[in-house]
Amino acid sequence: DTAVSQTPKYLVTQMGNDKSIKCEQNLGHDTMYWYKQDSKKFLKIMFSYNNKELIINETVPNRFSPKSPDKAHLNLHINSLELGDSAVYFCASSQERQGGDEKLFFGSGTQLSVL
Amino acid sequence: RKEVEQDPGPFNVPEGATVAFNCTYSNSASQSFFWYRQDCRKEPKLLMSVYSSGNEDGRFTAQLNRASQYISLLIRDSKLSDSATYLCVGIDSWGKLQFGAGTQVVVTP
Repeated sequence: DTAVSQTPKYLVTQMGNDKSIKCEQNLGHDTMYWYKQDSKKFLKIMFSYNNKELIINETVPNRFSPKSPDKAHLNLHINSLELGDSAVYFCASSQERQGGDEKLFFGSGTQLSVL
Repeated sequence: RKEVEQDPGPFNVPEGATVAFNCTYSNSASQSFFWYRQDCRKEPKLLMSVYSSGNEDGRFTAQLNRASQYISLLIRDSKLSDSATYLCVGIDSWGKLQFGAGTQVVVTP
């Protein structure tokens, strides 16, 4: 069984469209994250939820809206997609909140290409 | 200055050789560090945590040098399967994980 699964794996879309990426973890972890990895390979945190509560919200455009219906799911909705949104988006989960000795478990990533 | 900085490499290593590389961090108060491994087009996976006393797991050894604010990863007896990008992770002054851009290691036959 996949511990952290995200869909879709690839997403190709036109500028201006709205799209969603889904993530689910079956590890029983309390904390989930969205990370963005750009062409320069930096992994940057976008959002973090702990037990459905938003705890980290980086300076991300408000076109990006995370939604956590329960602690096992964290979805990412993106409105009005722009060329600069093209990147790989990783979902992750951990037992602890950030700042502690948490270890992250990542999903396999969603490669978003905005044309 | 970035929170965590790494030499991007690539480090080209003959199979069976030893390779070591460092990662510098800016938050002197950081208590937790990690090394993650990322294969091409795949997700990062935790390789090992880095403790004050260092950490060894098989062929991999991680060390922490607080005085100079860097952590290191040493791989002994390199295997072809060790070819990957190694991501250094520290914690910034706001308690958030910060990833380095990674060091690429290429093990050659």
